[in-house]
Amino acid sequence: NAGVTQTPKFRVLKTGQSMTLLCAQDMNHEYMYWYRQDPGMGLRLIHYSVGEGTTAKGEVPDGYNVSRLKKQNFLLGLESAAPSQTSVYFCASSYEGVYSYEQYFGPGTRLTVT
Amino acid sequence: AQKITQTQPGMFVQEKEAVTLDCTYDTSDQSYGLFWYKQPSSGEMIFLIYQGSYDEQNATEGRYSLNFQKARKSANLVISASQLGDSAMYFCAMRLNYGGSQGNLIFGKGTKLSVKP
Repeated sequence: NAGVTQTPKFRVLKTGQSMTLLCAQDMNHEYMYWYRQDPGMGLRLIHYSVGEGTTAKGEVPDGYNVSRLKKQNFLLGLESAAPSQTSVYFCASSYEGVYSYEQYFGPGTRLTVT
Repeated sequence: AQKITQTQPGMFVQEKEAVTLDCTYDTSDQSYGLFWYKQPSSGEMIFLIYQGSYDEQNATEGRYSLNFQKARKSANLVISASQLGDSAMYFCAMRLNYGGSQGNLIFGKGTKLSVKP
């Protein structure tokens, strides 16, 4: 049982490049989330999904797209990376969403955009 | 608007002593959950403790306890008998049980705790 995994762990992009971050969970959770963490800040929600095939915007969705084609995977895409997207990205999942006692977090992806 | 406020950017505590990390929250909802997470220098987010808004007893998990004062909208984390391994960032978070983004967490900016030997 690996929990929540994220690929890659580190990445450096140049402005304008694109990339996809992969989040995978093996706990059969319905709800999945993407957060970003900037220095001196708590985590902020980018996008989330309440089940396979569904996605919705969070607090800071601009510049990102997501897809949930399989229940266990939640992909975060950057179509044209900008320096403002330099951050640490965390994926999380939970069983029931609203009444779940705990969100399980992945180890994070550190992204630098130059 | 929903908000979590952690007013202590950094705290020091002597090893084996207790420490309280402050957290206040702002919401007009009646049903919500409050969480504390620990983030060590390695970066992962570690769940510590949870308190539901309708829970009458304060939550406890080992050396962690949550001092929940609903009328004051505060959810302070108390760590007893601090250990060197407790040095980390600590985040308070809130989850609304209705509306919002289906259970997502609203985080405070965190408190950096340093335990001195």
